Amino acid sequence: ETGVTQSPTHLIKTRGQQVTLRCSSQSGHNTVSWYQQALGQGPQFIFQYYREEENGRGNFPPRFSGLQFPNYSSELNVNALELDDSALYLCASTSTSGGFSSYNEQFFGPGTRLTVL
Amino acid sequence: ELKVEQNPLFLSMQEGKNYTIYCNYSTTSDRLYWYRQDPGKSLESLFVLLSNGAVKQEGRLMASLDTKARLSTLHITAAVHDLSATYFCAPRSRSNYQLIWGAGTKLIIKP
Repeated sequence: ETGVTQSPTHLIKTRGQQVTLRCSSQSGHNTVSWYQQALGQGPQFIFQYYREEENGRGNFPPRFSGLQFPNYSSELNVNALELDDSALYLCASTSTSGGFSSYNEQFFGPGTRLTVL
Repeated sequence: ELKVEQNPLFLSMQEGKNYTIYCNYSTTSDRLYWYRQDPGKSLESLFVLLSNGAVKQEGRLMASLDTKARLSTLHITAAVHDLSATYFCAPRSRSNYQLIWGAGTKLIIKP
């Protein structure tokens, strides 16, 4: 059984550029959540994907978008990068086979460190 | 809206001492998670507390939940250097099942 993987591990972009981050969920998990963690802060929920559709979104602008694929892997896309987008981006997967009220704990990937210059 | 407050935010202690980290949250939640994060690393699940009065222990760490007081505690017994990390609590919102994260408690344990 493989855990949650993310790519790339580090990325440097400039303001205004676009970036795509990737996540492969843990085997058997059908739900993926994305978080942004700024230095010295707790994770902030960006959005969650279930069965290829967005299923909940935090307080992030539309330039943050995502996809989930049939194999449950996921992408996070950020357009028009701003300096404040510099952060660790974490992907977490879980299984919601029993419904969202009973879904199990989330397992986190190693994260992608994004630096915007 | 569910809000979470952890305290202290920073804790420096000597090996062998005991201490408690507190997590208060503002509205009802149906479960609460504790995670550990080492510098530059991802989040590792420590405990999930599912009901009022729940207590879980793993090694030198013990977590408890009082849903009536909207309070969870993480108690460290006879601290060792390897427990140095940042600890986060995250209650789950009843309305959308999302985790709401505290700011974290950075724990430094000196030999």
